[in-house]
Amino acid sequence: GAVVSQHPSWVICKSGTSVKIECRSLDFQATTMFWYRQFPKQSLMLMATSNEGSKATYEQGVEKDKFLINHASLTLSTLTVTSAHPEDSSFYICSTRDRNTGELFFGEGSRLTVL
Amino acid sequence: GQSLEQPSEVTAVEGAIVQINCTYQTSGFYGLSWYQQHDGGAPTFLSYNALDGLEETGRFSSFLSRSDSYGYLLLQELQMKDSASYFCAVRAPNSGGYQKVTFGTGTKLQVIP
Repeated sequence: GAVVSQHPSWVICKSGTSVKIECRSLDFQATTMFWYRQFPKQSLMLMATSNEGSKATYEQGVEKDKFLINHASLTLSTLTVTSAHPEDSSFYICSTRDRNTGELFFGEGSRLTVL
Repeated sequence: GQSLEQPSEVTAVEGAIVQINCTYQTSGFYGLSWYQQHDGGAPTFLSYNALDGLEETGRFSSFLSRSDSYGYLLLQELQMKDSASYFCAVRAPNSGGYQKVTFGTGTKLQVIP
């Protein structure tokens, strides 16, 4: 299956700062990547669909100015949490999708803690 | 939009069989997937049903009934390492014409000796 690498795995930042999370598709070109957020003991919530070379498609209720997504190449999508606040502390996971089977392949996830 | 319901917790004995149910409501439907997630880790794909019936992959099987908007994951010969959270997920079209995956509430399975 596809290999997706996400970095950093852990990040702790001060309130008001911005944090960038990278998601790389290592073995195939991903025109579409998905960003999910998961709070403790809860389900994965789709935040946005990242499209290479065009604007991301955000889910209802997700602030596009706060969660900036850039998909500049076929192997890299980035999520920037701007002006982070403690309520943004969560597990952020990216994924790619196999074009043939539709199966999602997830990165390792990034656990963000905002102090 | 989509909504999916699963039992929150299930406990089963090592070596036994357990079934995790999932009911869903969706506008548009391509198929139902199942994912496993261990604490602190990322989800991993288990199975996918696009058509009605049972799909078997080793100790895991998944069933779908599109007319009932219902599916289940069946785990046989339970092992301690099967203790994890299991999510059903609906694959459906979104407003932009793309395909998106919406996850259920998740079922935490605890396997006991």
